[in-house]
Parts: sequence; structure tokens; C-alpha cells
Amino acid sequence: AQTVTQSQPEMSVQEAETVTLSCTYDTSESDYYLFWYKQPPSRQMILVIRQEAYKQQNATENRFSVNFQKAAKSFSLKISDSQLGDAAMYFCALERYGGSQGNLIFGKGTKLSVKP
Amino acid sequence: GAGVSQSPRYKVAKRGQDVALRCDPISGHVSLFWYQQALGQGPEFLTYFQNEAQLDKSGLPSDRFFAERPEGSVSTLKIQRTQQEDSAVYLCASVSIGGPGGLETQYFGPGTRLLVL
Repeated sequence: AQTVTQSQPEMSVQEAETVTLSCTYDTSESDYYLFWYKQPPSRQMILVIRQEAYKQQNATENRFSVNFQKAAKSFSLKISDSQLGDAAMYFCALERYGGSQGNLIFGKGTKLSVKP
Repeated sequence: GAGVSQSPRYKVAKRGQDVALRCDPISGHVSLFWYQQALGQGPEFLTYFQNEAQLDKSGLPSDRFFAERPEGSVSTLKIQRTQQEDSAVYLCASVSIGGPGGLETQYFGPGTRLLVL
């Protein structure tokens, strides 16, 4: 069975500082995708960043970057220069390669607060 | 359309009523997923369509749940004889194929928040 674990139910960061959200997963697949999704309060889920398991290079998207450790099955999200608009629930998700036939397996989420 | 839309956004049902939740995917997206998100939890997979074919319904919690996508575009999730444990946000996601870089990403709608009293 594929599982995703987010061990931090809540995190807090000061505006302009850096925060790292943790995610571990388990899968027997050799090829898969990993995602971080952001879900602001009462708003829809949007993609933050994605990583193909076969790529060794860590994905980056502006202030967002990941630390992908395939052997350790770890996929953490780093948010640099945190902004008030970053406050949201963040979900880590795993998808079997060949994505359209693979549903997403989500973690339970981490609630990020940003202090001004 | 510009994104995935869902209707209604909010639905209050009395226990035992039937409800129908609609999803309009992004135009041209072949694949469509339904998820159930309980309060304080991550979304959980319900069912998956490729065009009009329902290829996976392993996540549907009971035979009271039924989904269809008859013309390969709009999808409807129907819940019969609703129960209190059905209260959740129901999310729909559609998937592009062959997107930028060849990656496939699920784009989510805003969800329908169902409350069963």
C-alpha cells in the first residue's frame, strides 16, 4: 500500500523567514510523482511544486523548493522569504507514474501560519 | 473554461435525502477524479474516469455512492440516502495529458461542502 505521512500538524513562521515542511512516503513503485499542494482557507487546492522520482535534481519554483531523498523516501518543502499569503494547509501527495491512471495519495496536511 | 468548476458550492441535506454534485472539468481534459475530504484531513480518492469510462471506483465507500460522466466531460457524483458520515467536502480534479514537460497535473475545483443533518 502507498502511504504519505506529514508529521507536523501545524507550523509557524515569521514573515520573510524560511520554513521547512516534512513529508515521508512509502511506495513499492520505482517511478512516481510527488507533489505539494496548497489549500488556503475555504479556497481550492492549488499545485505548489512537483517532482518526478526519476530526477535527482530537486525541483524549485521561485520561493518554493523541495529536498527529495529517494532512498529515505523523504520529500520536504522549503518556503523561503515567507509571505502572509503563504498561510494555508499544505498537503504532500504521491502519484503513481503514468499519472492519469493514478490517483493521488495525500498526507493529512500541515497548517502553516505566517506571523507579520 | 478557465478552471474546474463545481456546483453547488454548499449543500445541506437531511439524513436520507439524495444529493447530486456536479463537476465541470477543464475543457479537453480526458481524465477526471473525485475525492472526499473530511474535516481536518487530506483528500481521499473516490473514483476515476477516462473520458466516459469509469476505470476505477475502488474508493467509493458504499453502494450509496454513484458517479457518472456520460459524455466524457461533465461528471456527477450522486449520494443516495445520505448519512451524517457523508458530511465532507467533495473535490473534483481534472488532468491534462501531455502538458508542459510531459507532466500530468491534477487541477482541482473549489469543492462542494456537504452537510448532512
